[in-house]
Amino acid sequence: QVQLQESGPGLVKPSQTLSLTCTVSGDSISSGPYYWSWFRQHPEKGLEWIGYIQYSGIIYYNPSLRSRLTISADTSKNQFSLMLSSVTAADTAMYYCARARYYVSGYGVDVWGQGTTVTVSS
Amino acid sequence: EIVLTQSPGTLSLSPGERVTLSCRASQSVNSNSLTWYQQKPGQAPRLLIYGASNRATGIPDRFSGSGSGTDFTLTISRLEPEDFAVFYCQHYGRSSWTFGQGTKVEI
Repeated sequence: QVQLQESGPGLVKPSQTLSLTCTVSGDSISSGPYYWSWFRQHPEKGLEWIGYIQYSGIIYYNPSLRSRLTISADTSKNQFSLMLSSVTAADTAMYYCARARYYVSGYGVDVWGQGTTVTVSS
Repeated sequence: EIVLTQSPGTLSLSPGERVTLSCRASQSVNSNSLTWYQQKPGQAPRLLIYGASNRATGIPDRFSGSGSGTDFTLTISRLEPEDFAVFYCQHYGRSSWTFGQGTKVEI
């Protein structure tokens, strides 16, 4: 059974960098056809896609976050990570890591982490 | 970037009722790029439908999806108590993924 677990500070100061890691068990992040993804959800709001790193190493970012965002992977640890710089209170949210996949006839996130709450505050 | 608009914002219904949720795209999209999720309070989303009409593994057949072009629909044929939640549609674009704002189905 594939499981994803987010880890990282729950509190980040404004202007600093938010760093989260997702540890994957039960599958290899080098295997396909998967998109190892980050999403977030602001309090009482909807879902927002942050970005993904594909099993092949291709990376895509949400255009609205691209200038502050870095997603990377460490295949030796079977982890992928998120770094979001220059954070503000608007980055306070629940952050989810997830595995998206391509089916023959569509796409979907079939495995989610439990989520981790990140608060930006001094 | 594709903008998805879901309607209505909130539905107040009773168990046993049939419900139809709408997701409209700002421009025509490929059906295989449209996905539906269910999210309950305090939980991560759950994949319901991918490719506009394909049920994900373990999803009851009371859930169905349809549509093409710009208009997509999620139907729950007969609401069960555990179905009350927020439902999101999502578009998988070539370089950007977007969500609708969600429809809350409440008792």
